[in-house]
Parts: sequence; structure tokens; C-alpha cells
Amino acid sequence: AQKITQTQPGMFVQEKEAVTLDCTYDTSDPSYGLFWYKQPSSGEMIFLIYQGSYDQQNATEGRYSLNFQKARKSANLVISASQLGDSAMYFCAMRNKAAGNKLTFGGGTRVLVKP
Amino acid sequence: DSGVTQTPKHLITATGQRVTLRCSPRSGDLSVYWYQQSLDQGLQFLIQYYNGEERAKGNILERFSAQQFPDLHSELNLSSLELGDSALYFCASSPMSSYNSPLHFGNGTRLTVT
Repeated sequence: AQKITQTQPGMFVQEKEAVTLDCTYDTSDPSYGLFWYKQPSSGEMIFLIYQGSYDQQNATEGRYSLNFQKARKSANLVISASQLGDSAMYFCAMRNKAAGNKLTFGGGTRVLVKP
Repeated sequence: DSGVTQTPKHLITATGQRVTLRCSPRSGDLSVYWYQQSLDQGLQFLIQYYNGEERAKGNILERFSAQQFPDLHSELNLSSLELGDSALYFCASSPMSSYNSPLHFGNGTRLTVT
């Protein structure tokens, strides 16, 4: 069975600094996708970035980048130049063929950006 | 804006009642997923439809049911409601049922059972 683990329940980051959110996953399926979502206090779930299991390069989307270490089964999200609007809950998630391609979420990490 | 529309945004109802949550997927998306987010259980997958057919079931209670209509919109029916059903219910859609396609979520329906 697939599993996503986010070990940091919450963290503070100073505005304009970078922050790394940890995510480890467990699957024996060679075909999978890893995703990060942002959930602000208003509640909506916003898709941030995707990394495929066969991708050779780390994904980047603006200030978001994904540090993909396949052998370690980790997919950490790096947010550069943090802004106050980055304060939110962040979820790591995975889809894989063996699990019917449903999206499985980790427990989330709450980030609070300090001015 | 994800392009996924959920109505209503908020729903307050009493125990024992039945409610229907509605979802319109993004244009062109054939797959619809329902998730429940509660404080103690996190984000739980309930059910998936693809082009009108049920594709996968997760932790969905027997009191809950869903369907996807020919125009691809979906409804989640919750009956015999209990206090513990209070949660944020998300609908999400994707073009296909594939591991490399992100799900795009609606803004959710916040259900409060009193």
C-alpha cells in the first residue's frame, strides 16, 4: 500500500527566506506521480507542482521547486523567497497505478511566514 | 480559479437529515473524485467516477452515495447524517485517470451537522 509521510507538523519561516518541507513516500510501483498542494486558511486546495517517477530533472514552478531523491523516496518542496501569502497548510500527495491512480495525501505541514 | 465548481459552499443541517453536494468538473475533465477532510482523519478519498462510471471506492460509508451524470457533473449524497460527518467535502477533477495528471480541486463544501 502507498503511504505519504510529512514529519513536520508546523514551522515558522522568516519572510524572504527559503523553506523546505519534507515528504517521504512508500510505494513499490515504479510508475507514480508526486504532487504538492497548498491549502490557505480560506480552505481551497491549490495544486502547486508535480514530479513524475520517471522524470530525470527536479520540477520547478516559479518560486516552488521539488527536490526529488528517488532512491531515498523523498520529494521535498522548497519555497524560495517566502512571502506572507505563503502562510498555509501544505500537503504532499501521490498517485500510482497500483492504487488505481487515486491521490493519497500526507498529513500536511503548516507554514507560518513571519514578517 | 481551478475551474471546478462546488455548491453549496456551506451547509448546516441536523442529525438524521440527508444532503446533496454538487460538483461541476473542469471543462474537458472526465474524472471526478470526492474527498472528505476532517480534523481527525485528514484528507480521505471517498470515490472516483470516470465518464459516468464508478472507478474506485475509498473510505466511503454506506450512508453515502455518489453518481456522475452524462454531462459529467457529479453529486455526493449523504444520508442519516451524524455529528461526525461534519467536514469539508472536496470534489476534484482530472482529464483522465492517470498517475501523472494532477487533480484540480473545487473550493469545497463545508458541512456542519448539529
